[in-house]
Amino acid sequence: GDSVTQMEGPVTLSEEAFLTINCTYTATGYPSLFWYVQYPGEGLQLLLKATKADDKGSNKGFEATYRKETTSFHLEKGSVQVSDSAVYFCALSDNDYKLSFGAGTTVTVRA
Amino acid sequence: NAGVTQTPKFQVLKTGQSMTLQCAQDMNHEYMSWYRQDPGMGLRLIHYSVGAGITDQGEVPNGYNVSRSTTEDFPLRLLSAAPSQTSVYFCASSVSGLNTEAFFGQGTRLTVV
Repeated sequence: GDSVTQMEGPVTLSEEAFLTINCTYTATGYPSLFWYVQYPGEGLQLLLKATKADDKGSNKGFEATYRKETTSFHLEKGSVQVSDSAVYFCALSDNDYKLSFGAGTTVTVRA
Repeated sequence: NAGVTQTPKFQVLKTGQSMTLQCAQDMNHEYMSWYRQDPGMGLRLIHYSVGAGITDQGEVPNGYNVSRSTTEDFPLRLLSAAPSQTSVYFCASSVSGLNTEAFFGQGTRLTVV
């Protein structure tokens, strides 16, 4: 079945540092890939997505590229801010609307 | 625009009690689903619905029931609460299947003692 494996956390960074969260997936078809973010006390919200190989999703300075050859969708941001402190989830959807999530990575950015 | 609304936000139950978690969306989305979030396990799908009158099981359906009598509402019922059901529950909705964004409620934190 479909599965998502993402980098274990927690991750603690200083402001303006570079952030990478690794995500790899297993799917039988050609899934769409997503990154969702959960800020403290809130529900999840879509950060970015990519629907086919080599697509790059981007939003709020975050980027991720759909790499079919390595079955990966790593999330990156060049210069994090305190407001980026959140839990980040990698997810996939394979031929239906159901989402398969990774375990989540908690990111804390210190001023 | 309310989006997806869940109630209650917090709940404490005793083992064996029953309760219903409410979920309503005002975006006319066909697809709705319930997830539970547990530490280190991400979100796991409990039940989902592809439209009014149609529901199906997800990854972890045992101990939960759902119904979908209207497009807007998708309640989750715990028939006899167990400590293993202590979790944070999220309801989500989306327009259609592949590639579309899921909108999540703010969650219900449930503790079963």
